[in-house]
Amino acid sequence: QVHLVQSGAEVKKPGASVKVSCEAYGYTFTTSGITWVRQAPGQGLEWMGWISTYNGNTNYAQKIQGRVTMTRDTPRSTAYMELRSLRSDDTAVYYCARGRYTSTYTPFDFWGPGTLVTVSS
Amino acid sequence: AIQLTQSPSSLSASVGDRVTITCRASQGITSALAWYQQKPGKPPQLLIFDASSLASGVPSRFRGSGSVTDFTLTIRSLQPEDFATYYCQQFNSYPLTFGGGTKVEIK
Repeated sequence: QVHLVQSGAEVKKPGASVKVSCEAYGYTFTTSGITWVRQAPGQGLEWMGWISTYNGNTNYAQKIQGRVTMTRDTPRSTAYMELRSLRSDDTAVYYCARGRYTSTYTPFDFWGPGTLVTVSS
Repeated sequence: AIQLTQSPSSLSASVGDRVTITCRASQGITSALAWYQQKPGKPPQLLIFDASSLASGVPSRFRGSGSVTDFTLTIRSLQPEDFATYYCQQFNSYPLTFGGGTKVEIK
C-alpha cells in the first residue's frame, strides 16, 4: 500500500534553515516524482516544486527559488526539501505528494501527512 | 502563472443536496485539471484527475466535467462525510497552481 511518511514538526528562528524528509513506501520510488506543497495556517495550497526521483531533476516555484533545494536518496526511497533563510511567512504545513505522472505536470495521488514548520523568534 | 478562480468560496448545503463547484482558469489548460478534498488537519485527497476521471476509491457521486478554461465538480447527493474544503489544481504549465478553495458546510 502506497504511503508517504514525513519527518516531525519543527520550530525555527527567522534566518534559519529547515530540512523535511518524505519516505515512500509501497511502490518503486523512482517511477513517480515527488512534489512539495505548503499550506499556511487557514490558507490554501501553494505548489513549491518537484523533483524527479529518477534523475534528480528539479523545478521550483519562482517565489522561493534560491532558498529551496529538493533532493532525493533513492536507496532510502526518501525525498528531502530544504528551505533556507526562513521568515515568519514560511510558517506552514509542508506536504510531500506523489505525482500520478512521471513529469512535473501531474496531479498528486498520494500525500504525506504533513510537517508543521513554525518560524518564530 | 495561470490563475484558477473557484466559486463559490463557501456554501451551505444539506445532506442529499446536489452541489456544484466551478473552477475557471485564466488561460486554456486543455483537460489538465484535478480536484481535491481536504478535511481539517488532513492532507488533500485526489478526487478527479484529467478533468473528469475518477480517482481510485472515490465514490461515484463525485463527477468532474469541463475543458479548456471552465470546469465543474458536482457532488450528486451530498453525504455527511463530504463536508470539507475542495480545491482545483492545474497541471498544464509551470508553475502548477491551485484554486483558492471552496468550503462546503452543513446547512
